Amino acid sequence: LAKTTQPISMDSYEGQEVNITCSHNNIATNDYITWYQQFPSQGPRFIIQGYKTKVTNEVASLFIPADRKSSTLSLPRVSLSDTAVYYCLVGDPFSGGYNKLIFGAGTRLAVHP
Amino acid sequence: KAGVTQTPRYLIKTRGQQVTLSCSPISGHRSVSWYQQTPGQGLQFLFEYFSETQRNKGNFPGRFSGRQFSNSRSEMNVSTLELGDSALYLCASSNAGTGMGPNTEAFFGQGTRLTVV
Repeated sequence: LAKTTQPISMDSYEGQEVNITCSHNNIATNDYITWYQQFPSQGPRFIIQGYKTKVTNEVASLFIPADRKSSTLSLPRVSLSDTAVYYCLVGDPFSGGYNKLIFGAGTRLAVHP
Repeated sequence: KAGVTQTPRYLIKTRGQQVTLSCSPISGHRSVSWYQQTPGQGLQFLFEYFSETQRNKGNFPGRFSGRQFSNSRSEMNVSTLELGDSALYLCASSNAGTGMGPNTEAFFGQGTRLTVV
């Protein structure tokens, strides 16, 4: 699985848009990009996944440039409850090795009032 | 549908003892993975079971083992517990990589908090 690099921490304020960028220079052709959110003492929760261009769901957007060497998770109008650790992962979900998820340190997002 | 269920939620054991943790995956999911999370090492992959067979393995000593039953429920066992085994143990179920279509999301349980004293 490709290695990813994210900022260790970020700070924001309620109501702002937060963009977290992940670098994955060695992403393979069949790899998808997936983001998870984790609150303290809970298991990670799937946020969004994409392969290329832009993906949007009810909680976030994922922007992937044409070269796919990076991706940006965008959280619109964050609230205090978005304070969590965000992980970026890459892998081929159709591969038998996909479920060996390799989590980096993640980005610790702190949202302030 | 019901989520991933891990039992027990909390456990306190003494050094040298052994422990068994249980995970019930989401109905229909055939893959179950286990992870250890500590403040120092973060989230680390232990192993994955698919159709009762260990398919992927992380870099942990042989004291850590697991198994999966025919109904996809899984257990992990840690023998000869050490203080450093204190951690949050997470289980995830998924159908990714199983040839069952583009199901790419891993669903995690709440975890079992193991404290070794």
